[in-house]
Amino acid sequence: DVKVTQSSRYLVKRTGEKVFLECVQDMDHENMFWYRQDPGLGLRLIYFSYDVKMKEKGDIPEGYSVSREKKERFSLILESASTNQTSMYLCASSNQGYQPQHFGDGTRLSIL
Amino acid sequence: QKEVEQNSGPLSVPEGAIASLNCTYSDRGSQSFFWYRQYSGKSPELIMFIYSNGDKEDGRFTAQLNKASQYVSLLIRDSQPSDSATYLCAVPQPKAAGNKLTFGGGTRVLVKP
Repeated sequence: DVKVTQSSRYLVKRTGEKVFLECVQDMDHENMFWYRQDPGLGLRLIYFSYDVKMKEKGDIPEGYSVSREKKERFSLILESASTNQTSMYLCASSNQGYQPQHFGDGTRLSIL
Repeated sequence: QKEVEQNSGPLSVPEGAIASLNCTYSDRGSQSFFWYRQYSGKSPELIMFIYSNGDKEDGRFTAQLNKASQYVSLLIRDSQPSDSATYLCAVPQPKAAGNKLTFGGGTRVLVKP
C-alpha cells in the first residue's frame, strides 16, 4: 500500500512565524502535491512537483513556497504565517500517467 | 462552466437503499476518472477508478462511465451509515504536467438508519 506521511496532524503557530510542513512518501512516486482544504471551497492546489528540484505553482501559491531535495520528501513552507492560512493542509503523491493521487492524513494548521 | 461538476447535496438515503452520485466533466480528452471518499475531518481516500466506458464493480460500489455524454457515476448499493461522507470525483488534466487532478466540489451523502 502507498504510504504518505505528514509530519504533524495538528499544529499551532503564531502570526509571522515561518512554518514548515513535511511530507514523505514511500512508493517512489514522481509527483507530489500540496493542497489546502477549507469549508465550502473544496480542495485547492498550492504547489506540485513532478521531479526532484522541480516545482510548479498551483492555483493559490501566494504566501507559500516548497522544497523537494529528495524524491520521497516534499516540504511546504509558509514564509510568514498569517491567520488566513489557518486550514487543513493535505499532501498527495502519484505515479506518472493517468494515475490517482494518494493522500496523507492531513495537517490541521492554526495560525494565532 | 466548471471543469468537474458535482451536486453538493446532501444526498439523503435510507439504510439499505442505493445511493447514486453523478459527476460531469468538460474535457473530452480525459482518460481516467477517480472517486474518493472523505469523512469529516479526514483526508480523501481512493475508492474507485475507471478508465473505460461501461460499468466497473468493486464490492458495494459501481462506477459507470459514459464518455460520449461526459459523465461518470458512482452507485453505492446497500448503503450503510458508515457510507455517510463526502464523495469527490477527480479527473486528470490531460494537457498538464505532473498528473494534476481536477476535483469536483464533492457530494455529501447521509445514510439514515
